[in-house]
This record gives sequence, C-alpha cells and structure tokens, in this order.
Amino acid sequence: NAGVTQTPKFRVLKTGQSMTLLCAQDMNHEYMYWYRQDPGMGLRLIHYSVGEGTTAKGEVPDGYNVSRLKKQNFLLGLESAAPSQTSVYFCASSQIGAGANVLTFGAGSRLTVL
Amino acid sequence: LAKTTQPISMDSYEGQEVNITCSHNNIATNDYITWYQQFPSQGPRFIIQGYKTKVTNEVASLFIPADRKSSTLSLPRVSLSDTAVYYCLVGDMKNNQGGKLIFGQGTELSVKP
Repeated sequence: NAGVTQTPKFRVLKTGQSMTLLCAQDMNHEYMYWYRQDPGMGLRLIHYSVGEGTTAKGEVPDGYNVSRLKKQNFLLGLESAAPSQTSVYFCASSQIGAGANVLTFGAGSRLTVL
Repeated sequence: LAKTTQPISMDSYEGQEVNITCSHNNIATNDYITWYQQFPSQGPRFIIQGYKTKVTNEVASLFIPADRKSSTLSLPRVSLSDTAVYYCLVGDMKNNQGGKLIFGQGTELSVKP
C-alpha cells in the first residue's frame, strides 16, 4: 500500500499565481487533513474533512480552499499565492473509531512563493 | 478542544531513559492521547496512543494519571536516531466535533553520544 501520497513534492510559484496540491490515500480512511509547517515551527491545521463531500476550517484557513469530491482524495488550493504561504504542507488521514487520532501523514509538499 | 503544553526542548545521552510530559488540563471525557515523532523533512509518524493508566509497545510507554490532565511519553535507552521532535495530540473523533486535531508546539529531543 502506498498510504498517503502528496503531489507535487516541490513547487515554486510567483506571487498571485494559483495552484492545487493533491492528497491521495488508499486506506479507505474517512478523515483527511491539511497542515502547514513553517521552518522550525509546529504543525498548523488548515482545513480538514470528516467524509466525502464535507470540509471544515482549521486554525489557519485564510487564503486556502479545499475539496473532497472523492473519499480517497483531498485537494488544497491556493487561489492567489502570497510569500507568507511559503511552507511545507502535510496531508494526513485517519479512520473512524478508536484509531481516529492515529494519523497517517504524507511525505510533504514544499512550496516556495516568490 | 484540549490544548496541550510541552517543554520546547530536551537533551539526553545515548542509553538514558527519556520522559517527555505533556499537560492537557481541559481534556474531555472522550479524548484520547496520541504521541507522534517527526524527523527533519518528514511527516510525523505515530508512536503510541492511550486513554488512561499505562500503555506500552515496542518503542515507548505512555503513562496517564487518573485525572488525565497530563501524560508522559517514556523512551527507554535512547539512541542518536531518537533525535527528533515529539508531539502530543489530544482529540475526540467520536462525533461531529471531532476532526479538528490541533498539534501543540512539540518537544525537540536532542540525543548526544
């Protein structure tokens, strides 16, 4: 099993450009999350989803949009990138029940906005 | 949502036991406590999870007192490869309030020879 796969792994954008990060999981997990991690800092929750067709805001949702049209995919979009969005983005997923706090993370997507 | 507080950093030497404590004073009845390890340039990975008392697996032990307002991750006989950031996470996933899993600042553990 691949687990959680994030694409792309690296991307450089110019201010004002748009892009979409894709997260795919093959574990049939119900919950999916997007976090960002700035250098030397902890993880901050951007958006999350508790099921197909649902999304909700996390700690730092401004400037980002998400969609969960299929259970296995969670997309994170930046409509107009800003230098403050330079970060490493991590996607994670988990299942319902006692293991719901057991997050499986992807390898990360490193985004630089010039 | 239970907020967590951990020491920012800790130092240890190879072969020692390391205990990292996390405070979560407003933990709710349904909340589980989960610990993660993160190496540089990698996503966090699950270490251990518990609800009360003591849990042990092949890599760590988790001690949770009766009031559940704190928890302690214990790493026996650490090696250089245990140098990482350790996060404590508290959250309930059993209803629609679940899903908003907020990480604390983590503890940077440095193991020296």
